Amino acid sequence: QQQVKQSPQSLIVQKGGISIINCAYENTAFDYFPWYQQFPGKGPALLIAIRPDVSEKKEGRFTISFNKSAKQFSLHIMDSQPGDSATYFCAASIANNFNKFYFGSGTKLNVKP
Amino acid sequence: DVKVTQSSRYLVKRTGEKVFLECVQDMDHENMFWYRQDPGLGLRLIYFSYDVKMKEKGDIPEGYSVSREKKERFSLILESASTNQTSMYLCASSWEGNYGYTFGSGTRLTVV
Repeated sequence: QQQVKQSPQSLIVQKGGISIINCAYENTAFDYFPWYQQFPGKGPALLIAIRPDVSEKKEGRFTISFNKSAKQFSLHIMDSQPGDSATYFCAASIANNFNKFYFGSGTKLNVKP
Repeated sequence: DVKVTQSSRYLVKRTGEKVFLECVQDMDHENMFWYRQDPGLGLRLIYFSYDVKMKEKGDIPEGYSVSREKKERFSLILESASTNQTSMYLCASSWEGNYGYTFGSGTRLTVV
């Protein structure tokens, strides 16, 4: 049973458009929610992360929106670029639990020029 | 920059072979992890270690074991490789506490 559910599985966006990837969780003990970006042939790399005491975090063109009551969080990529084409994973972890993360199933983003 | 180095990018092994995947990190991280990545399933935790000689099972430990004799090195062992263990294997490390992982580039293992 997957603890973090991610959608969509794949996404095609035109250059300059907004990419939106959604994740949902059930375990209310989760208290740290990162997003990872993975390019082909590489390991995932931390992109941006949020804790549940804030509803939004923005870093450049990347924004996490967090809805604690709905147990959902999403990644928004503004002004999407072909260089953003990658696989994105959401994840969640519980404090004081050896830093174990539970990952979503991944979203393959293709930004068309 | 923190580096997590996995010894092989690609491996092809035969069914029944004993397989060792090696991972080394250079930032004195306490925690180390082994995940496998399969399409549509995301990353699933196999084993992790929070200290030298300490190990804990993850979500899919069956058919695997691990070894951590030194803080910087974490090995994944497939005792008797099977075709359903064909996958991308990712090693990661982190400090204690809620910080993001640093991943290695992965080892794509094919068992024939």
